[in-house]
Amino acid sequence: DQQVKQNSPSLSVQEGRISILNCDYTNSMFDYFLWYKKYPAEGPTFLISISSIKDKNEDGRFTVFLNKSAKHLSLHIVPSQPGDSAVYFCAARTPSLFYIPTFGRGTSLIVHP
Amino acid sequence: DAEITQSPRHKITETGRQVTLACHQTWNHNNMFWYRQDLGHGLRLIHYSYGVHDTNKGEVSDGYSVSRSNTEDLPLTLESAASSQTSVYFCASTGEGNTEAFFGQGTRLTVV
Repeated sequence: DQQVKQNSPSLSVQEGRISILNCDYTNSMFDYFLWYKKYPAEGPTFLISISSIKDKNEDGRFTVFLNKSAKHLSLHIVPSQPGDSAVYFCAARTPSLFYIPTFGRGTSLIVHP
Repeated sequence: DAEITQSPRHKITETGRQVTLACHQTWNHNNMFWYRQDLGHGLRLIHYSYGVHDTNKGEVSDGYSVSRSNTEDLPLTLESAASSQTSVYFCASTGEGNTEAFFGQGTRLTVV
């Protein structure tokens, strides 16, 4: 049973517009959420994270929002650039499985020039 | 610069053969993990280790084993390779208090 769900396998956005990637989770014990970015033939790289005690974290063009009551988080990229085209993985951690992220299936983002 | 490296990057092997994928990190991280990535499944945890001589099974550990004889290395062994183990394998590590895991570049394994 998937504990971290990314229900959109792909997303296509025009350059300069906002990209919104969504993630839902089922495990209420998750206390830390992360987004990773992955280019073809490379390993995932960390992008941004948020603690469960916060509802927003911003880093440049990237903002993550957390809605604990809905068990939902989203990654906003503004403005989107062609170099942002990649697979984005949502991940979450629990205190019991310390340091080890549980990943969603990923969303492939394509930003068109 | 500290890094995490995997070898080989690509491997083709026959069904039934034993295969070992190497993972080496120079951050001196205690925590190391192996994931496999398959289309439609994302990244699934195979094994993890919190330190020397510590190993634990993950979500999809059947047919795989790991050993941790030092801090830097966590080799992944497929005891008898099966076609279902054709996948891309990623090793990762994280230190105490780190918020994120650092990943290697991956090993693409094909079992024929």
